[in-house]
Amino acid sequence: DGGITQSPKYLFRKEGQNVTLSCEQNLNHDAMYWYRQDPGQGLRLIYYSQIVNDFQKGDIAEGYSVSREKKESFPLTVTSAQKNPTAFYLCASSDSGGAIGNEQFFGPGTRLTVL
Amino acid sequence: QKEVEQNSGPLSVPEGAIASLNCTYSDRGSQSFFWYRQYSGKSPELIMFIYSNGDKEDGRFTAQLNKASQYVSLLIRDSQPSDSATYLCAVSLNAGGTSYGKLTFGQGTILTVHP
Repeated sequence: DGGITQSPKYLFRKEGQNVTLSCEQNLNHDAMYWYRQDPGQGLRLIYYSQIVNDFQKGDIAEGYSVSREKKESFPLTVTSAQKNPTAFYLCASSDSGGAIGNEQFFGPGTRLTVL
Repeated sequence: QKEVEQNSGPLSVPEGAIASLNCTYSDRGSQSFFWYRQYSGKSPELIMFIYSNGDKEDGRFTAQLNKASQYVSLLIRDSQPSDSATYLCAVSLNAGGTSYGKLTFGQGTILTVHP
């Protein structure tokens, strides 16, 4: 089955720790995205990548880092510099086949809690 | 002013009624518009997208776009209790390719359909 997987589903972090959230897709999509969602809020873009070995900051990139070494993988690291990391993290992908505003498909999410 | 605004609700409608969800956006350069449904604790799933002014129908769902008024709406006919969820409006900007595929989300409208 084609789709987007994220792991782990739940993650607990101690203050001062870096943690990495996994995102993998087998849809052969070029573009991948990371969003953060806080309770009662919409999604805010952290980072996105349109091709391998290239990525851009979104609206709230401070305290986060990413890599895009393979087309199917786009891991997100939440660093100790992120002051309020407790949130629901969503990974998405889209097919950048030439049209504008291509629809994005989401993984199941990772819920991160700082202890 | 928020880039994408939705009434947070909650919007409560009886089963079988029409639910009307509204969204306004600030950037006149916006090219494509998406409606996502998000059940509590789950990731968003795409319901519909619309690019052109007018109506687009898919089953019980109709998306309406008015670019002059910078307004997009989602109508759900014959609402069912299973439609109870948060509905997210998302807008894609096209700024010379750098915003290609990037979505800006509203905060979402909570819909409750009661039997």
